[in-house]
Amino acid sequence: NAGVMQNPRHLVRRRGQEARLRCSPVKGHSHVYWYRQLPEEGLKFMVYLQKENIIDESGMPKERFSAEFPKEGPSILRIQQVVRGDSAAYFCASSPKGGDTEAFFGQGTRLTVV
Amino acid sequence: QKEVEQDPGPLSVPEGAIVSLNCTYSNSAFQYFMWYRQYSRKGPELLMYTYSSGNKEDGRFTAQVDKSSKYISLFIRDSQPSDSATYLCAMVRGSYIPTFGRGTSLIVHP
Repeated sequence: NAGVMQNPRHLVRRRGQEARLRCSPVKGHSHVYWYRQLPEEGLKFMVYLQKENIIDESGMPKERFSAEFPKEGPSILRIQQVVRGDSAAYFCASSPKGGDTEAFFGQGTRLTVV
Repeated sequence: QKEVEQDPGPLSVPEGAIVSLNCTYSNSAFQYFMWYRQYSRKGPELLMYTYSSGNKEDGRFTAQVDKSSKYISLFIRDSQPSDSATYLCAMVRGSYIPTFGRGTSLIVHP
């Protein structure tokens, strides 16, 4: 009964490279949320996806960031042309449905841009 | 004003103390309330989940919701050093996106 799996756990990228973060939700969960956490700050919502659909991306920067949750396979958060300010912990959460259900988190991917 | 306010602490207590952690919120549309525990460099772990005003108990943890005051609390009885972590409140409204407080750092010293 695996929980939310995120990989890689740690990712180092040079400025200008692409970062690709993966999230496999709990089996049977079709709702995925991505959050970013900076030191001394809380979890900031980025994007909410259901299978093959982006429901809400109001928290995601308009440029360089994109997310997908295909019919098969994990959800992907992609950051193009990374900058030092992108360094943070990125967490994925999943739930069986939106709204009145709990969301379970993965262990996060810590992105460091050098 | 942030939608969810939570004092970052740190809150330092002796082992065995009763801990009270709190969040206030401004949007009365929030309907569901959660508490997460996050250890350093780990993902948040769901502790408690409730949707109604009143108390919900689970072992040493009690979650309290007062919708009229827009105030939620998490009480930890007989606190242990292993409870030392950051505690995050989260709330959900119709948009189905959990909104988090900043988190309160708790230190329980032996």
